[in-house]
Amino acid sequence: DTGVSQNPRHKITKRGQNVTFRCDPISEHNRLYWYRQTLGQGPEFLTYFQNEAQLEKSRLLSDRFSAERPKGSFSTLEIQRTEQGDSAMYLCARGWDTGELFFGEGSRLTVL
Amino acid sequence: AQRVTQPEKLLSVFKGAPVELKCNYSYSGSPELFWYVQYSRQRLQLLLRHISRESIKGFTADLNKGETSFHLKKPFAQEEDSAMYYCALSIMGNTPLVFGKGTRLSVIA
Repeated sequence: DTGVSQNPRHKITKRGQNVTFRCDPISEHNRLYWYRQTLGQGPEFLTYFQNEAQLEKSRLLSDRFSAERPKGSFSTLEIQRTEQGDSAMYLCARGWDTGELFFGEGSRLTVL
Repeated sequence: AQRVTQPEKLLSVFKGAPVELKCNYSYSGSPELFWYVQYSRQRLQLLLRHISRESIKGFTADLNKGETSFHLKKPFAQEEDSAMYYCALSIMGNTPLVFGKGTRLSVIA
């Protein structure tokens, strides 16, 4: 058990709708990461938080994407005006100073 | 920018045969390297990291800075080793992990 819970596990939406994913680490943890994985690709970094501060954002994170981590506990990833290209598995992970990541089971987004 | 290359999308071996999953990276300094595994219908999980120099489930990986490689090896493949394997790199633990595209290992009985 990695202690990372993600909800919803699967979301189907129509193009143009907004979606929000939530990540809950079981215990408070300094570093929290969001990755995206599409078919045939490895996980691609999106953004990460050190406590409540968002320290780095990938250029993959367009202005339609926003992530928050209020109070340094759970985190949300919102996608506005979804496009079919946003269809992917969105992975949340706890991070350690060694660089290791412990992933949740992911939230799969399907945009019709 | 750092890059991780896994040249094989699919590797099929017979049970009991040796396995080598290739990983090459591009970075001029001292990276930290990891192998992650994803079994069917399970989350992505850490298999091993070079700094610990341990063997997990019979797998080992040696960092070769001269060849910038971190190949994953196992002397005798088992059917339960069938999974997706991802090589990943971080710089001193301070940068987000960069993953390769993965290699699917299929062990044939």
